[in-house]
Parts: sequence; structure tokens; C-alpha cells
Amino acid sequence: AAGVIQSPRHLIKEKRETATLKCYPIPRHDTVYWYQQGPGQDPQFLISFYEKMQSDKGSIPDRFSAQQFSDYHSELNMSSLELGDSALYFCASSFGEDSYNEQFFGPGTRLTVL
Amino acid sequence: KQEVTQIPAALSVPEGENLVLNCSFTDSAIYNLQWFRQDPGKGLTSLLLIQSSQREQTSGRLNASLDKSSGRSTLYIAASQPGDSATYLCAVRFRKGFNKFYFGSGTKLNVKP
Repeated sequence: AAGVIQSPRHLIKEKRETATLKCYPIPRHDTVYWYQQGPGQDPQFLISFYEKMQSDKGSIPDRFSAQQFSDYHSELNMSSLELGDSALYFCASSFGEDSYNEQFFGPGTRLTVL
Repeated sequence: KQEVTQIPAALSVPEGENLVLNCSFTDSAIYNLQWFRQDPGKGLTSLLLIQSSQREQTSGRLNASLDKSSGRSTLYIAASQPGDSATYLCAVRFRKGFNKFYFGSGTKLNVKP
């Protein structure tokens, strides 16, 4: 069965650079969630989209922005990167906004900021 | 405030032992709870999803229970194997938290051969 696809899987950037992470949900899934997991920490919710509209927002820095496109894929744009942005970024998708629907997680993008 | 706590933070057991991982949450008004496995530096593997109306779910050697009223869930692993060594994360979707998961800090399990 098709799973959530994230690209790239690994990304190395310098401080103050920008990065774009991409998430391709499971076909027919219209809801996307982004989570950030710092080293030795538990995943923290960043932002979510339903039908191309932002549906919820967590502890996402103002330097980050995200959107969901007409094909339901989502991109997380990160500017003025800081060392503390080094983390594993997960994307999850589900069908509909129903909170009982299971979220399926992608393999993550590991971002390293040097 | 919605919080998820996992105890213990780390656990080391000999192969073959049955074990229980604990997860507690601060608000009993939840949609569901999910247990994940994470290998070092890797992604999240979903193990079991329990809806708020359910008391338990089983998959192979794994059994997860849910007691909403006490704000607790347990993950029972039978006949543990070295391949079970990983970090196990509990995640909760609270009704007041809309749709997002709140994760616990995980229990790092080491099963010794």
C-alpha cells in the first residue's frame, strides 16, 4: 500500500540558509500534519492543513511557513535557519478532519543545520 | 493543559520476559491514543491505535489497553525479543487539542539476548 512520502530524506544546510521540505500524502488523503522532533525529544506539532487551508497551528516559528497545494502535497519552508532547527521533521496524513481517523506518518526528513 | 507522560523512561529486560509500558495523560476527554515504535534515528512505526470507545487492541505479541477515566494506557509486550529493542512512544489526541497528537517522551526498551 502507498505510504506518506517525504523528500528529501536528509538535508544539510548552513545557518541563515533556507530549506524546503516536501510531503506527499497517501492518495485520497486531504489532511496533512507536520511535526518536529529535536534530538532526544518527543515530536512536537507544528501545523496542519485540511483541504488546502490551515486547520491548526502549534509551536511553529515565524521563520517557518507552510502550505498545501491543489494536489494535497504540502511544503514546509524554513528560512534563516538556526542550529536549533536541526531535527527530524515528520509529515502525517489522514482522510478528512475527523479526529477518529488514523494519522499515517512518513519516514521523516532529517535536517542538519551547521 | 494536555500532557502525556511515559514511565519508565528506560527499561532493560532479558529476552523472553513479558513487559508492560505505561502511558498517562492529563485529560480523559480524548479521541484516541496510538502507540508507536521508533528505532534510533528512524521514523515512527505505528503499532496500535485505540479509539476512545475501545478498551484494548491486540496485534501479535502486542496488547494495548485504555482506561480513559484514570487517564492511562498500557502496552503489553509478550515474550520479548532482542528485535523489540527500540523507543516506544505513546501519542494522544485530546478533544480540546483539535486534531493533533500530543506525544509522550517515550520508553527506551532494551531486550538483552
